[in-house]
Order: sequence, then C-alpha cells, then structure tokens
Amino acid sequence: GAVVSQHPSWVICKSGTSVKIECRSLDFQATTMFWYRQFPKQSLMLMATSNEGSKATYEQGVEKDKFLINHASLTLSTLTVTSAHPEDSSFYICSVSQAGESEQFFGPGTRLTVL
Amino acid sequence: AQKITQTQPGMFVQEKEAVTLDCTYDTSDQSYGLFWYKQPSSGEMIFLIYQGSYDEQNATEGRYSLNFQKARKSANLVISASQLGDSAMYFCAMRLTGGGNKLTFGTGTQLKVEL
Repeated sequence: GAVVSQHPSWVICKSGTSVKIECRSLDFQATTMFWYRQFPKQSLMLMATSNEGSKATYEQGVEKDKFLINHASLTLSTLTVTSAHPEDSSFYICSVSQAGESEQFFGPGTRLTVL
Repeated sequence: AQKITQTQPGMFVQEKEAVTLDCTYDTSDQSYGLFWYKQPSSGEMIFLIYQGSYDEQNATEGRYSLNFQKARKSANLVISASQLGDSAMYFCAMRLTGGGNKLTFGTGTQLKVEL
C-alpha cells in the first residue's frame, strides 16, 4: 500500500493562531485526499475531500474559511486551521486514494492542542 | 444517507480465543464496500479487510474474516486466535460506489485481549 506521512505529528499552539498540517503521499500519486477529524474516544468524521488541482469539497457543518485545504500536487495536501480555538483541539488524519481505486491509505495523524 | 452502527463500545477476549465484533449498516444503495480498520493507541488507521456488496464469498485475511450477511445488513469482523497485540480500537466503515470514495465510519469497538 501507499506510504503516507503527516507533519507535524503533534502541535501545541495558542488560541487565535493558525496551524498548518501537511499530508504527503510518498510513493503514490494521490488524485484524491481526505481530511478527517477525530475527537477523543470518538469516530473519524470526514471534514473534506480534495482532488488535485481543484477546490476541496467540505462536509456539512465544516467551515471552509476556518479549515483551509490546498491540494496543489499529487503528493501533497495541506490543512490550515485558521484562528484556532480550544474546541479545535483534535486528532487530524489524512488519507489518500487514486481515481478508480477503492482503498484509502491513511497517514499517522496529527494531534493538535490549542491552549 | 448511509449509516454504520457498532453496538459494542468495549469487548474483552482471552488470548488465543476468537472474538466477533459487530457491525450493521444501513443504505439503500445496491453497490457498496465494507471495510474494517484497526486503530492502536498510537492513532494510525490500519486496514484489515474489505468486502464488496457483490462478493459472494466472505472475505478472509489471515486471522481476520468478515461474516457478511447482506440480507441482515451486517458485516461482523471475526478475529481468530487473539493476540495481545490485537488490543486496539476497531472501526467498521462503508463506502458507496459512486460516492466519491468517501468512507463513513462507525463509532468503534475497543477490544482488550487479556492473558
């Protein structure tokens, strides 16, 4: 399967600052990347789907101006949490897939803590 | 909309015993895929097994097998010969064919393997 990395693996920031999380597909041309959020002891909730070179599609209830997603290449997608607040503290996980393929390959996740 | 239900928030099993983790789903679509993922405490999502809605045989992958009962809309995961390393959170997920490869996850089951 594909190898997917995320950077940073964890980050602590002050309320009001912005945080950028990178998702890289190391050996796989990812036409589609997904961003999930997981609160403690809860399931993964899809935030948005991004296709290379086009705007992300956000799930209902996810603020697109707060969670900026850029998928500029087949190997890199970024999620920027703008003006982060304590309620944004969560585990953010990306996954990648190729067009026509069923399987998604997940990154190791990024734990965000907003003080 | 599709929905995945995992009714067991936590399960215990003795080492070397088999355990069944329940998953039921709800969709009106005829074509879909069902997945099971393992999430250890480190957070990464590990793909275990996949079952397509048109697959006639139950999927098996090593110690993992999927008990697929289409009429009952259930896709239970069976782990045989449990090992201590199997202790983790287990998520059932569904993907609708033509749904842009998006996954919908259940709430998960925390499995603990005991000596």
